[in-house]
Amino acid sequence: GAVVSQHPSWVICKSGTSVKIECRSLDFQATTMFWYRQFPKQSLMLMATSNEGSKATYEQGVEKDKFLINHASLTLSTLTVTSAHPEDSSFYICSARPGLTEQETQYFGPGTRLLVL
Amino acid sequence: AQSVTQPDIHITVSEGASLELRCNYSYGATPYLFWYVQSPGQGLQLLLKYFSGDTLVQGIKGFEAEFKRSQSSFNLRKPSVHWSDAAEYFCAVDGDYKLSFGAGTTVTVRA
Repeated sequence: GAVVSQHPSWVICKSGTSVKIECRSLDFQATTMFWYRQFPKQSLMLMATSNEGSKATYEQGVEKDKFLINHASLTLSTLTVTSAHPEDSSFYICSARPGLTEQETQYFGPGTRLLVL
Repeated sequence: AQSVTQPDIHITVSEGASLELRCNYSYGATPYLFWYVQSPGQGLQLLLKYFSGDTLVQGIKGFEAEFKRSQSSFNLRKPSVHWSDAAEYFCAVDGDYKLSFGAGTTVTVRA
């Protein structure tokens, strides 16, 4: 149980285009989902927290207009990188937290590697 | 604010030998503590977690961790390492329902 998927796993795009990454909880409902960014050989940095049906809460220094997050249902959150630039190239990982039974545990997706040319 | 320190950046261990990864945390209240493992190019898999109760926690893949409040530590151990245990290991603390991760420890397993 507690499986989280991400799509796509790899994406290459041109500078200036927008890219959407999906995060789904497959076998549980997630009241809260998180988006992280990970640079090579580094730890995970929390970008934002999203709760179903409400606006995402962004961490300090994360541009909310550049990284649009939508948590439309209890099983789906999306991250859209708008007007992507090469410096946005990174490994993006989402996680989901089951609402009632495991409020403190986050389950992670397999990640999406973004390369902006 | 909470924080996590993993003092060892890289550990090399022989297959079959024991492994211990160190983790120290800083948090004002009783922490929720986690160990995750990440294989190259993959997401994070939960190994084990501590919320309360027994300070020795058993996890998947033969791992265990011991919570020591007096030392603010949550070290991960495995008695006998397999080649498939080569990966990046992250310790994390949950404060206010947000995870803070340590820098990670890379484990290399030699034959």
